[in-house]
Amino acid sequence: DGGITQSPKYLFRKEGQNVTLSCEQNLNHDAMYWYRQDPGQGLRLIYYSQIVNDFQKGDIAEGYSVSREKKESFPLTVTSAQKNPTAFYLCASSRAKATEAFFGQGTRLTVV
Amino acid sequence: DQQVKQNSPSLSVQEGRISILNCDYTNSMFDYFLWYKKYPAEGPTFLISISSIKDKNEDGRFTVFLNKSAKHLSLHIVPSQPGDSAVYFCAGDSGTYKYIFGTGTRLKVLA
Repeated sequence: DGGITQSPKYLFRKEGQNVTLSCEQNLNHDAMYWYRQDPGQGLRLIYYSQIVNDFQKGDIAEGYSVSREKKESFPLTVTSAQKNPTAFYLCASSRAKATEAFFGQGTRLTVV
Repeated sequence: DQQVKQNSPSLSVQEGRISILNCDYTNSMFDYFLWYKKYPAEGPTFLISISSIKDKNEDGRFTVFLNKSAKHLSLHIVPSQPGDSAVYFCAGDSGTYKYIFGTGTRLKVLA
């Protein structure tokens, strides 16, 4: 059953702590993405990766870091430098340019 | 700079009628557009896409129209069903792997 798995679905962290969100895909897609959604706002691109061992900053990369050591995995670390980390985080993947991106079910991160 | 705009935050339509969701964009480099449907606390689900070389694409009850000169696209749902109630996002891609999303329109289909 192919798809994108994000874990965990809900995550709570104390302010000042780094936290890593997991994203795994078994669709054999080259490209992977991380988006953030806040209430009343659209999906904003944090980072994207076109291929293994390469990634690019999106529109709101400050305070985040990623790695792409394997094709199927694209973990996102929310660092203590991110000023407003509480949000709904979505991971996606796509086969190529000009094709649809498939999304995971999201991780809701709450920082207290 | 918001490259993709969905100016209607919400829309209510009677069941069986047509739903028309609109999207405007400013980036003339976009050559591929997508529509997604999203339920609360879930990931978006792909609905339909259109390449900039076309002006219409149809898939069942869903049709997307693209007007390049006006930098405008719209999603038509006919007939609308209660299960269509969700938030709809449009997105543009300029061939750089960066899908840019609008802020979404919440559609409510009334039974």
